[in-house]
Amino acid sequence: GAGVSQSPSNKVTEKGKDVELRCDPISGHTALYWYRQRLGQGLEFLIYFQGNSAPDKSGLPSDRFSAERTGESVSTLTIQRTQQEDSAVYLCASSLGSGFSGNTIYFGEGSWLTVV
Amino acid sequence: AQSVTQLDSQVPVFEEAPVELRCNYSSSVSVYLFWYVQYPNQGLQLLLKYLSGSTLVKGINGFEAEFNKSQTSFHLRKPSVHISDTAEYFCAVSDQGGKLIFGQGTELSVKP
Repeated sequence: GAGVSQSPSNKVTEKGKDVELRCDPISGHTALYWYRQRLGQGLEFLIYFQGNSAPDKSGLPSDRFSAERTGESVSTLTIQRTQQEDSAVYLCASSLGSGFSGNTIYFGEGSWLTVV
Repeated sequence: AQSVTQLDSQVPVFEEAPVELRCNYSSSVSVYLFWYVQYPNQGLQLLLKYLSGSTLVKGINGFEAEFNKSQTSFHLRKPSVHISDTAEYFCAVSDQGGKLIFGQGTELSVKP
């Protein structure tokens, strides 16, 4: 069956360029999450969508980071003026409802971003 | 605010030996607890979760975890590991806002 799909799977970009990362959640999933995983580290929460509103964007590290979601579908994470410290795997996840309701959160395979 | 501490960053173990991966959480409210596994070059996969009821939770691949409210722990165990269990394991707690808070991960390395 279709899982969470992310693109691109790998992206190498020059410092200072903007990048867009895309996430297609599982059909029917209202909740969508973005996490960042730096090499050898745990998962760092970035932003959470319920439908197309973002009740929690407390994890976005700076104003260079933004995300949007169209309805209960595709989400795009945009990083402007990329820096080397932005290099990481960006993971998208979705669930039927919020994780606090005990719903299982399903993860995509991630977008590996390298800033050179 | 909730937080998760995984006490061991790396756990080396021989094949067919038992293993325990430790996880402690802090929370002032009732929680839901999860263990995820990340195999090399793959996404995260749910191993098991505790929502309510029996404190012993069984998951996939022979793993189980026990919720201990008094010790605020949710340790993951397997009685006999295989080479294929080599992976990164993440403990997570759900917060009231709906997202998961993850620990730093434990790298399980199973040697022949």
